[in-house]
Amino acid sequence: DGGITQSPKYLFRKEGQNVTLSCEQNLNHDAMYWYRQDPGQGLRLIYYSQIVNDFQKGDIAEGYSVSREKKESFPLTVTSAQKNPTAFYLCASSTSGTALEAFFGQGTRLTVV
Amino acid sequence: GEDVEQSLFLSVREGDSSVINCTYTDSSSTYLYWYKQEPGAGLQLLTYIFSNMDMKQDQRLTVLLNKKDKHLSLRIADTQTGDSAIYFCAERRWAGGYNKLIFGAGTRLAVHP
Repeated sequence: DGGITQSPKYLFRKEGQNVTLSCEQNLNHDAMYWYRQDPGQGLRLIYYSQIVNDFQKGDIAEGYSVSREKKESFPLTVTSAQKNPTAFYLCASSTSGTALEAFFGQGTRLTVV
Repeated sequence: GEDVEQSLFLSVREGDSSVINCTYTDSSSTYLYWYKQEPGAGLQLLTYIFSNMDMKQDQRLTVLLNKKDKHLSLRIADTQTGDSAIYFCAERRWAGGYNKLIFGAGTRLAVHP
């Protein structure tokens, strides 16, 4: 079945640690995205990638980093520089057509302890 | 969602119709979307409408677009308990190099017997 998979579902991080969230898709989509969701707010774009080996900062990139070495994979690292990392993180991929149909993974809930 | 506005809550009786409203600000947006999010899950694309359309119907879902007023609505006919979720409105916007989805804060739909 085609889809987009995020892991882990829950992640706990101690203050000062870096953690990496995984996102894999087998939809053959060129574009991939990372969003952050906080309670009562819409999704905010962290990073996006339109093609392999290329990515751009979104609206709230500070304290995060990404890589795009393979078409299928777009991991997100939450660094110790991110001051308030506790949130629900959503990865998405989209078609390259004009309609921009984005498909989302099931999300990773990150909690700083 | 900085420029997409939605009411936060809607409560309806099972079997009634639900109408979720959204306003956006970018008149140049070409596509508008409705996503559904169930608890602890990612977003599921329900439907989208191109800006040259006034209405789109897909089974129990009807999308109405008033481009003059920048108003989008999603009507769910014969609402069921399984429709209880958060519904996000989103607009596609060109962000100087890539297409970006701007999300509203989401409307929580509660369906009661």
